[in-house]
Parts: sequence; C-alpha cells; structure tokens
Amino acid sequence: DAGITQSPRHKVTETGTPVTLRCHQTENHRYMYWYRQDPGHGLRLIHYSYGVKDTDKGEVSDGYSVSRSKTEDFLLTLESATSSQTSVYFCAISDPGLAGVARPIQETQYFGPGTRLLVL
Amino acid sequence: AQKITQTQPGMFVQEKEAVTLDCTYDTSDQSYGLFWYKQPSSGEMIFLIYQGSYDEQNATEGRYSLNFQKARKSANLVISASQLGDSAMYFCAMREGLKKTSYDKVIFGPGTSLSVIP
Repeated sequence: DAGITQSPRHKVTETGTPVTLRCHQTENHRYMYWYRQDPGHGLRLIHYSYGVKDTDKGEVSDGYSVSRSKTEDFLLTLESATSSQTSVYFCAISDPGLAGVARPIQETQYFGPGTRLLVL
Repeated sequence: AQKITQTQPGMFVQEKEAVTLDCTYDTSDQSYGLFWYKQPSSGEMIFLIYQGSYDEQNATEGRYSLNFQKARKSANLVISASQLGDSAMYFCAMREGLKKTSYDKVIFGPGTSLSVIP
C-alpha cells in the first residue's frame, strides 16, 4: 500500500469557520490531488499539485485553496466552510515516472484513507 | 455530458459466481487509459486494474479482468468467483490522451454498488 495518510480522519465544524485538511505521503511522488466524494458524483477533483509550490485548480475549486511547501505534504483549506462542503475528502498521489516514458497515460493514482467533514 | 457512465447503481451476485460491472466512456482521443477502483465500506479507494486504449489484450489481475470493447467504448469489469469481501462500490475512471498541460485529468464515474450474497 502506498504510504498516504490524511488528518484529521473526521471533523465536525460550523459554517463560516476555516478548516485545513492535511495529506502526507512517504512515497516521494511528484503529483498530489484533492478530491471530494459525494453520492451520485463519484470523485471530483478540487485542486492538484505537480510539484512543490506548483498547484492548479480542478473542476470544483471554488471555496478551496491549497498549498504545497514540501514534497510530502499537501494542504487543503476551506477558507470559510459552508454546508455544501460537507463531504468525504480524498487525497491521492501519482508519479509519471512510474508509468515510464513509453506509457505515461498508465500513471495510476493511489488514494489516502479519506477525511469525513461535516459542516453544521 | 457524462464522460463515464456506470448504468448499474446496484448489483447483487451469488458467492462464487462471476459478475460483470458495466462502464461506458466518451472520448474523441485515440490514446486514453481506463482504470477500475474498489471502495469497500471502510472507505478507502483501492486500485484494481488498468487498460490502455492501444493494448491489444484485455487486462487481467487475478480474479479481475477487463472486457475492453473499443468500438463500443466500453470497459466492463469482470470479477470471477465472487467472494464476500468483494462487496463494495466500484468506480470506473478514464484518463484521456496526453495534452500540452501539466496534468491530464482522471474522470470518475458515479460508481456501482456490488453486494455478494452468501
């Protein structure tokens, strides 16, 4: 199993408060991602990082920010939590080098255990 | 428009029987990759199997195989000899052809819930 941890694993917070979720990896993978999972939607990409201090938006980035100051850590911040951000959040990692130059499209994402966030 | 369709929200299978989970996809790219993930009730996402669009043979990984029909744009997951531990959500995902961006997004389907009956 890929060495990916997420903290906290569960959190209950109130509307309007800031929340930070942490993803930590021990695999030295270049790419890191934050997804949210909601019933009927599968997983949707929030933000991703392709290197230290290199981040970009995914399809549902509004209300979220990220930071990556070290290879192993990727932080997701909800600036002012809303009830619509109640969800399960997954971190994932991948590295294009593992798939090889000839088959970059085979790059596989490996997921952390998830964080359940409830915004009241 | 949905890029990944999984038409079976829930399925049941008898233990030791084989089951097929459907996945159809939509892409205009010639080069793409297809993935299947399993999510048991404990919540983690587990990578199962990968199929590349140019792979000539269907992918297999133990009891998992992928029935890849390129012309129909389908990538169905076949689980042979179902076990109770196979009860889980199963997600089909696709990465489209390489583009001149830093990341090629992986798109996930809505999932199929599989229940294995003893």
